[in-house]
Amino acid sequence: QSALTQPASVSGSPGQSITVSCTGISSDVGGYNYVSWYQQHPGKAPKLMIYEVTNRPSGVPDRFSGSKSGNTASLTISGLQAEDEAYYYCSSYTSSSTLFGGGTKLTVL
Amino acid sequence: EVQLVESGGGLVQPGGSLRLSCAASGFTFRTSWMSWVRQAPGKGLEWVADIKTDGSEKYYVDSVKGRFTISRDNAKKSLYLQMNSLRAEDTAVYYCTRGHWGRDYWGQGTLVTVSS
Repeated sequence: QSALTQPASVSGSPGQSITVSCTGISSDVGGYNYVSWYQQHPGKAPKLMIYEVTNRPSGVPDRFSGSKSGNTASLTISGLQAEDEAYYYCSSYTSSSTLFGGGTKLTVL
Repeated sequence: EVQLVESGGGLVQPGGSLRLSCAASGFTFRTSWMSWVRQAPGKGLEWVADIKTDGSEKYYVDSVKGRFTISRDNAKKSLYLQMNSLRAEDTAVYYCTRGHWGRDYWGQGTLVTVSS
């Protein structure tokens, strides 16, 4: 069970948009619509931002959106704000288990 | 307000055992899949184990199979993780979470350190 592949870091200026990719294989990301995204600030517990590829939990700003194409899922944050600076992790269901990505550090310049 | 409060972490020697507990409140525990996710110091998230609503199905990451056991007590609204034969690589913050396909609530975590 290999971890999903995410870029180590991405950056953007306030107001800009960024996209974080999450690449798996046909038996995880590509095979199920159970991709989630989590935001984690240093020293804090992760927070669910997107579930089932495209859905936002109540309270998550609509600046956050998710999508999937083939074996790659993506998280897009539009209108970047300073408080968006954090680590972002994707995860995917796969055959009775869950895989996480290695995490992406988002820096707001 | 939803709360997940972990306890039971600490320092343990290699080969030792520890039992983590998670007290849940603010949601219907008996109808919720629950899971444990861990994070080694300075590292990413790693799923550890899931348990179905009634405890009839349990799933584990390969690295803990045969050593860890997830369980629950719906009457007490509590989740547990019995960890045996602990190794240095099990050192991590262990989070109690709700969910199976997406984890919407997380506890604050409890630190387990395996060291001699």
